Amino acid sequence: QKEVEQNSGPLSVPEGAIASLNCTYSDRGSQSFFWYRQYSGKSPELIMSIYSNGDKEDGRFTAQLNKASQYVSLLIRDSQPSDSATYLCAVVGGNTPLVFGKGTRLSVIA
Amino acid sequence: DAGVIQSPRHEVTEMGQEVTLRCKPISGHNSLFWYRQTMMRGLELLIYFNNNVPIDDSGMPEDRFSAKMPNASFSTLKIQPSEPRDSAVYFCASGDRATDTQYFGPGTRLTVL
Repeated sequence: QKEVEQNSGPLSVPEGAIASLNCTYSDRGSQSFFWYRQYSGKSPELIMSIYSNGDKEDGRFTAQLNKASQYVSLLIRDSQPSDSATYLCAVVGGNTPLVFGKGTRLSVIA
Repeated sequence: DAGVIQSPRHEVTEMGQEVTLRCKPISGHNSLFWYRQTMMRGLELLIYFNNNVPIDDSGMPEDRFSAKMPNASFSTLKIQPSEPRDSAVYFCASGDRATDTQYFGPGTRLTVL
């Protein structure tokens, strides 16, 4: 059973701070890693993808991947109240499609 | 591109009735996924297709659920007969196998009374 684990939260951060979201996965053969954002009542929205070890930056978002530790994280700089949502980590294994974690609820306090 | 289109957006039906959910994927994508999301169980993969061929339906809860993809631009998920425990949001996602990325439709909120 391939698993993706996330802290369910809620994670509360003040406006302007850095929010750090973490995810671990069980399948060592995993090759593609994604972060989705889901607002309440809406569908998941792809915000970041990362395929190799290291950091990938896109605007205020940075995804970090460490395959040796089977760990992927998402940093959100200068957090805004509009970033308040559930963040889903998703992983693609060798022969499996996307496996989702249960999500971390982020609350940015103005 | 209009993105993934799902219909209906909301469906309220009575137990025992047949329910058909529809999905139009993004043009050029070669994978299609059906998910169900509930508060208790999170996002569950029901079935997925590559190039219109069903690859894995192990997530389909029982024989009451069936899915088809007759062509690259259309898929259906059918529940017959429906039960109250089927109440959930059902998402269709369109996938690009070259990058493993998936893009979700707006979902269908199903309520079975």
